[in-house]
Amino acid sequence: AQSVTQPDIHITVSEGASLELRCNYSYGATPYLFWYVQSPGQGLQLLLKYFSGDTLVQGIKGFEAEFKRSQSSFNLRKPSVHWSDAAEYFCAVVSNTDKLIFGTGTRLQVFP
Amino acid sequence: DVKVTQSSRYLVKRTGEKVFLECVQDMDHENMFWYRQDPGLGLRLIYFSYDVKMKEKGDIPEGYSVSREKKERFSLILESASTNQTSMYLCASSSGTGPSSDGYTFGSGTRLTVV
Repeated sequence: AQSVTQPDIHITVSEGASLELRCNYSYGATPYLFWYVQSPGQGLQLLLKYFSGDTLVQGIKGFEAEFKRSQSSFNLRKPSVHWSDAAEYFCAVVSNTDKLIFGTGTRLQVFP
Repeated sequence: DVKVTQSSRYLVKRTGEKVFLECVQDMDHENMFWYRQDPGLGLRLIYFSYDVKMKEKGDIPEGYSVSREKKERFSLILESASTNQTSMYLCASSSGTGPSSDGYTFGSGTRLTVV
């Protein structure tokens, strides 16, 4: 069965520092992968997606993610974090029944 | 701006009450979904619908039902609310045959407390 693992429950970084959030997936074929962000009290907003082609994808708010098939990973990165990036981040993969399967999320805290 | 609108941001209900959570989308999407979100568990799919009058069980349908009488509206029903249904409920929609194209568009969520 398809699954998504986000190994870090909570990450704390200083404002201006770089960020990498980890995501590992389990899927037999070429996966469709997504990253979503959820600000406190809000729904989920799509940051970026990967379907095929270039393995480095750019998203909104200065985020990017790199698909690595050999490592079954799709890690989210940002070179310089802003205080407004504090939120919860979810990685997701499309299942073979065409539904999104989400990871358990990583909560990002940003210190000034 | 396209939207998925959930009618209530916060709800407090008593144990045993019948609860309706409403969701409306204005994107003419075929597919609609209900998730619940709990700390440490991520998002879990309750029910989904790929067409009007159609519904399918997700991973955790027990204690819930749904209604989709019109394309734009997808309602989640808690037949007899219990305290273990206290959670954040998120509605989402997508176009075409699934999320493959643009992912899902989410509503802002309804935080339900059952006392």
